[in-house]
Amino acid sequence: GEEVAQTPKHLVRGEGQKAKLYCAPIKGHSYVFWYQQVLKNEFKFLISFQNENVFDETGMPKERFSAKCLPNSPCSLEIQATKLEDSAVYFCASSQSSDTQYFGPGTRLTVL
Amino acid sequence: ILNVEQSPQSLHVQEGDSTNFTCSFPSSNFYALHWYRWETAKSPEALFVMTLNGDEKKKGRISATLNTKEGYSYLYIKGSQPEDSATYLCALKERGGTSYGKLTFGQGTILTVHP
Repeated sequence: GEEVAQTPKHLVRGEGQKAKLYCAPIKGHSYVFWYQQVLKNEFKFLISFQNENVFDETGMPKERFSAKCLPNSPCSLEIQATKLEDSAVYFCASSQSSDTQYFGPGTRLTVL
Repeated sequence: ILNVEQSPQSLHVQEGDSTNFTCSFPSSNFYALHWYRWETAKSPEALFVMTLNGDEKKKGRISATLNTKEGYSYLYIKGSQPEDSATYLCALKERGGTSYGKLTFGQGTILTVHP
């Protein structure tokens, strides 16, 4: 598609439950990025992919967070055993030949 | 920790006013500076990607300048309209790794244009 699509728009989980977020990049884009925005703070980089390969994971928390981009499937970000501090808006972006990263509308995760 | 600072945090102007705000960043390892316009619950919209010192880019009533030696970029809006109300984000991409690297964001400037 011509836009980055993220699902679901909102996700509510009890503390300790699993959360899984999805991102469909713009068709033809090879790079996918995940960012986390806690409260109204700045967007924080989590992880990036080049096709199905992890490109840079320096922002990923060591525990509980994982991500995948498999061929012919939306990319996913999974949080095992969510904690209250995981409540945030998670943005996905994709890019190809230009430097511009095109963002999706985000998934708002609320952990109760 | 890389610090990208935006000022002011928020700004209220009247319709028709021209306005500008600042993004400051460390000038070492500079690769590119991105500007985005973002309305809550929507996708951040890419405005400009700036790479060259002295660069000036324009899109309608919005323009931006870049000074990589001193580490700042200005965003200007001429004749603000209520529909310009949004959060304006700048983000730095550093040299090193590849050109498809992560962005480090400032906290944004929230612009409100009153009719």
